[in-house]
Amino acid sequence: GQQVMQIPQYQHVQEGEDFTTYCNSSTTLSNIQWYKQRPGGHPVFLIQLVKSGEVKKQKRLTFQFGEAKKNSSLHITATQTTDVGTYFCAGTTSGTYKYIFGTGTRLKVLA
Amino acid sequence: DGGITQSPKYLFRKEGQNVTLSCEQNLNHDAMYWYRQDPGQGLRLIYYSQIVNDFQKGDIAEGYSVSREKKESFPLTVTSAQKNPTAFYLCASSMQVDQPQHFGDGTRLSIL
Repeated sequence: GQQVMQIPQYQHVQEGEDFTTYCNSSTTLSNIQWYKQRPGGHPVFLIQLVKSGEVKKQKRLTFQFGEAKKNSSLHITATQTTDVGTYFCAGTTSGTYKYIFGTGTRLKVLA
Repeated sequence: DGGITQSPKYLFRKEGQNVTLSCEQNLNHDAMYWYRQDPGQGLRLIYYSQIVNDFQKGDIAEGYSVSREKKESFPLTVTSAQKNPTAFYLCASSMQVDQPQHFGDGTRLSIL
């Protein structure tokens, strides 16, 4: 079945350093979503990517969707302590409406 | 304020007992979802509903049941057939099935 893997599983960075998490699907995706979950909280939607090669920015966050629509990345520039949490990607394939969530990357930012 | 309300926040189940988790939304969303999250893990889809009176199994539907009699409500029953129910259960909704999902605060279910 369809699988979505994320790497790394954990990342500790010093405040001000950059951070990147990668999402890889075993199948071609029709679109991909990114969510952030703070410790003890619920996932909060960040962005949705639909087009091959798409790049979107939200302040210090940059999201990319691969040309083959099988991978995606989230890059945070100059991390802050407020960036702490687990970042999940979620992808769906054409013809289904089930989003498969990635395993998540837990980010810790050291002040 | 529009949003998704899950209740209760904490729930304890005895052996052989069915329990029902409530999920209500006032966002006028057509699609609703139930996910299970185990410690340190991602979210796994239990059931989803595209529209009232319709629902589909997700990847881990065994031992669970749902109903969608009203647009606003999508309750999840954890039956005694679910042998390992201890987890964090999250309900979500979206305008349509391929749109961003809004999540409730979740219900933590434990076994007594």
